[in-house]
Amino acid sequence: SAVISQKPSRDICQRGTSLTIQCQVDSQVTMMFWYRQQPGQSLTLIATANQGSEATYESGFVIDKFPISRPNLTFSTLTVSNMSPEDSSIYLCSVLPYQGPSDTGELFFGEGSRLTVL
Amino acid sequence: GQQLNQSPQSMFIQEGEDVSMNCTSSSIFNTWLWYKQDPGEGPVLLIALYKAGELTSNGRLTAQFGITRKDSFLNISASIPSDVGIYFCAETNYGGSQGNLIFGKGTKLSVKP
Repeated sequence: SAVISQKPSRDICQRGTSLTIQCQVDSQVTMMFWYRQQPGQSLTLIATANQGSEATYESGFVIDKFPISRPNLTFSTLTVSNMSPEDSSIYLCSVLPYQGPSDTGELFFGEGSRLTVL
Repeated sequence: GQQLNQSPQSMFIQEGEDVSMNCTSSSIFNTWLWYKQDPGEGPVLLIALYKAGELTSNGRLTAQFGITRKDSFLNISASIPSDVGIYFCAETNYGGSQGNLIFGKGTKLSVKP
């Protein structure tokens, strides 16, 4: 497994502003992902954070709205840009630890960053 | 697109009762995962399944990977108050550069002492 730290854990933001969420892992991981969980809903994948290159976004999510960085194998950031109340969600960082040839696809999650946009 | 149906949506049970929830998929996958999410926390992995027909236990939890590879169930025996939370099934076809999960909508479990 891996220990995943997200900051901030929660924040209240004003409409039109942007907020950057940080994800720090205690070990090098193969892959990092960002998920969104809207109130009372399940988790939806936003993008795969690729080290040293542009993130791979899922349908419905774009780089201008959710710019992502991943400068190394233990750290990533997600920015929620030009926020509106509809962006109020929990944003979760998840990682796929390197397990060698028997990688099994078990993702581990951070505790999430709960954003409320007024 | 891929769909993952999880049921029931919610359950209200008495402490000590057994619980069963399941997920079905419109597609075949090679990995099923079951997570639990407590309020204010991220999901925590409970059980992972990799082979059709596989039955795996983790304490009072038992999960099975359906033989058709399109379904899975999770059972909790002798429930206790700390079992309260939202349980999510998730599936993936991990391999190569993939690894993202598709999640069910969750089963919210309430346990009455």
